[in-house]
Amino acid sequence: QKEVEQNSGPLSVPEGAIASLNCTYSDRGSQSFFWYRQYSGKSPELIMFIYSNGDKEDGRFTAQLNKASQYVSLLIRDSQPSDSATYLCAVRPLRGGSQGNLIFGKGTKLSVKP
Amino acid sequence: DGGITQSPKYLFRKEGQNVTLSCEQNLNHDAMYWYRQDPGQGLRLIYYSQIVNDFQKGDIAEGYSVSREKKESFPLTVTSAQKNPTAFYLCASSIASGGALNEQFFGPGTRLTVL
Repeated sequence: QKEVEQNSGPLSVPEGAIASLNCTYSDRGSQSFFWYRQYSGKSPELIMFIYSNGDKEDGRFTAQLNKASQYVSLLIRDSQPSDSATYLCAVRPLRGGSQGNLIFGKGTKLSVKP
Repeated sequence: DGGITQSPKYLFRKEGQNVTLSCEQNLNHDAMYWYRQDPGQGLRLIYYSQIVNDFQKGDIAEGYSVSREKKESFPLTVTSAQKNPTAFYLCASSIASGGALNEQFFGPGTRLTVL
């Protein structure tokens, strides 16, 4: 059973701090990794994807991938109250009956306090 | 204005009733997906379609049915066989299924409640 694990939180950080969200996955052959942000009552919104080991930066967001450790993280610099949301990690496995469809974690709830 | 639309936004179902949720996209995406989200849970795949007139079961297909007669449309029917249908239903699409970087984009969702 392929799994994607996230700490459910809530993760609480003060405004201006760095928020660090973590995700581990079980399928070592997984190819690509996605971070979605979901505000309460809304649908998920894609904010970043990464497929190579290392860091990928986009504005205040940095995704980090370590395939050897089967670990992907999302860093949010200069956190703002508007970043308060649930962050979903999604992984595309190499193999599987669903032909590479995404497997989602349960999400980490982030709260940024003013 | 490209995107994915879902209707209705809220839907109420009586016991024993079938209901159909609409999903339309104008992104010219080949692949479409239906997910279910329960409170505090991740997204679970119900059905997906990689091409018109073809679809496959996901992880929790029992009690649901779909059709894909047009590239733009992928309606989901929640049948009376689905015993616990109250959930947030999300439709998504991607350029194609199976490609490493085919990110999925989501519609606004339909919240279904059983009365």
